[in-house]
Amino acid sequence: AQSVTQLGSHVSVSEGALVLLRCNYSSSVPPYLFWYVQYPNQGLQLLLKYTSAATLVKGINGFEAEFKKSETSFHLTKPSAHMSDAAEYFCAVSVDSGNTPLVFGKGTRLSVIA
Amino acid sequence: EAGVAQSPRYKIIEKRQSVAFWCNPISGHATLYWYQQILGQGPKLLIQFQNNGVVDDSQLPKDRFSAERLKGVDSTLKIQPAKLEDSAVYLCASSPAGFGVDQETQYFGPGTRLLVL
Repeated sequence: AQSVTQLGSHVSVSEGALVLLRCNYSSSVPPYLFWYVQYPNQGLQLLLKYTSAATLVKGINGFEAEFKKSETSFHLTKPSAHMSDAAEYFCAVSVDSGNTPLVFGKGTRLSVIA
Repeated sequence: EAGVAQSPRYKIIEKRQSVAFWCNPISGHATLYWYQQILGQGPKLLIQFQNNGVVDDSQLPKDRFSAERLKGVDSTLKIQPAKLEDSAVYLCASSPAGFGVDQETQYFGPGTRLLVL
């Protein structure tokens, strides 16, 4: 079975500072990995995904993530935080390209301080 | 392209009452998912449809939850009778199917926030 662990339920950064949200996964087969963002009272929006191509994945809004198989990690980063980045971030894993459910972590709430 | 539509957006009911949620996926998406997101947790799968057939309902509490996707397009999720622990956001997602398309990406609706009193 697959699982996702997100370290830190709440991360707070200053505006302009580096954002680092941690995600470790467990999977018995090569995974597909995703980061979604959820703004208050909204659904989940895909930020980026890893599907066994390039290990460094660039997404929307300046975010990127690097797949490290040896560390079973897929951490999300952004060089400079903006106030609009404040939201809940979820890491998720699936194990097939063909329409399999996502297994989500518990989420990390990002606060950006002016 | 229109996104995944869900209604209602909010619902408040008393325990033991029944409630139904509706989802209309992105046009042409064959796969539809219902997830339950309890406050402070990530979404968890309730049921997955491929066209109008059930692919995975192993985590659906079948004594009180039911779902259908009769014509392979929109879907309804029902809870009867509701319990306090059913208070959550119910998210619908869809993805395309077929070789060579973006079938691993799920597109989410805005969710229905349910409060059971």
